[in-house]
Amino acid sequence: GIQVEQSPPDLILQEGANSTLRCNFSDSVNNLQWFHQNPWGQLINLFYIPSGTKQNGRLSATTVATERYSLLYISSSQTTDSGVYFCAAGAVRGYSTLTFGKGTMLLVSP
Amino acid sequence: GAGVSQSPRYKVAKRGQDVALRCDPISGHVSLFWYQQALGQGPEFLTYFQNEAQLDKSGLPSDRFFAERPEGSVSTLKIQRTQQEDSAVYLCASSLGGGNEKLFFGSGTQLSVL
Repeated sequence: GIQVEQSPPDLILQEGANSTLRCNFSDSVNNLQWFHQNPWGQLINLFYIPSGTKQNGRLSATTVATERYSLLYISSSQTTDSGVYFCAAGAVRGYSTLTFGKGTMLLVSP
Repeated sequence: GAGVSQSPRYKVAKRGQDVALRCDPISGHVSLFWYQQALGQGPEFLTYFQNEAQLDKSGLPSDRFFAERPEGSVSTLKIQRTQQEDSAVYLCASSLGGGNEKLFFGSGTQLSVL
């Protein structure tokens, strides 16, 4: 099946800093989503982005499907951005089941 | 409902007991997924329903795991004769259509097998 790798595994930022999280995937995808898991375990869908660029407030994401990677940008980070960010990809072949990466744990300090 | 609802939020079981975990997806959502998340790991796929049809159960770890969605809405994940290695968070997710669409997760059921 498709392999999903995320980097960096951990990231510590000061409030106000910007960051870029990367997701590489091993096969052609027709489904790529970014999630934020908060400290209470709730997974929040940030973006559905199989290709192109989207922005939502301080967050934006870009997927370059031909080069098999996606990037999540966080600008002007806040302490509430802390948590684990997961990338999940669905291969073109098969059903639309998503394979998750291991996540990037982000800690934003005041 | 407004979101995906899962119950119970926490479940403690003695080894060998059977457990049943419930998922109530967003109203009208066709697709329903179950994932298992071990501590410090990403969610791993268990099974997928489109309406009442179970289209993929390739992720179920053993024949002790069984899932159903008899009327195409509420789903139940049943684990028979629980083992310690079954301890994990079980997440349910739904999406509107049958294809590749935005996935919405419930809060999960944290299962601890003693």
